[in-house]
Amino acid sequence: DSGVTQTPKHLITATGQRVTLRCSPRSGDLSVYWYQQSLDQGLQFLIQYYNGEERAKGNILERFSAQQFPDLHSELNLSSLELGDSALYFCASSQTSLPNNEQFFGPGTRLTVL
Amino acid sequence: AQTVTQSQPEMSVQEAETVTLSCTYDTSENNYYLFWYKQPPSRQMILVIRQEAYKQQNATENRFSVNFQKAAKSFSLKISDSQLGDTAMYFCAFEDGQRPLHGLTFGKGTHLIIQP
Repeated sequence: DSGVTQTPKHLITATGQRVTLRCSPRSGDLSVYWYQQSLDQGLQFLIQYYNGEERAKGNILERFSAQQFPDLHSELNLSSLELGDSALYFCASSQTSLPNNEQFFGPGTRLTVL
Repeated sequence: AQTVTQSQPEMSVQEAETVTLSCTYDTSENNYYLFWYKQPPSRQMILVIRQEAYKQQNATENRFSVNFQKAAKSFSLKISDSQLGDTAMYFCAFEDGQRPLHGLTFGKGTHLIIQP
């Protein structure tokens, strides 16, 4: 158990819908990262937040957005869902936003778009 | 942009054997970090070992060690005395140390199967 929690574990929805994935970082960690793992694209970095502010952006689609709240939990919002958005979405946390800080991964949310 | 290549989609070895997983990367940066992550069937991502590019000494963590060849941009993982619990996907990852604006860049992974 990494100490990072993600809800829900599984999510099944239809094309065109909007979903919210939630992540609670380890106690004391200020940085949250979101990653997408799909068969086509592999593991891709989406976005990073540090203490409530966006710090880095990766291959995140415009239909996707995220935020980190004052209690440090983070949410990833996916809208206008397409079949290709079906993937495992990981949240990871680390103490700081600096490189070489070990990122602790949550168990992931499996999103299936039908 | 940095790229990470793992050329072995799948490997299979007998329990107690030693196995080496390959990883090459491409970057123009001089300050960076390299990682190996393990993803067992549970899908949990677990850090196995990491290497700072400025360190010449290869990192070691118990049965896991790396062979870091900076000039060749190669970062292989050696697993000694392999165990059934080592069966997993293994991902090589890169992190830019100067401008960490892209999170971790992962390779496609190697599926390692340890046979009893």
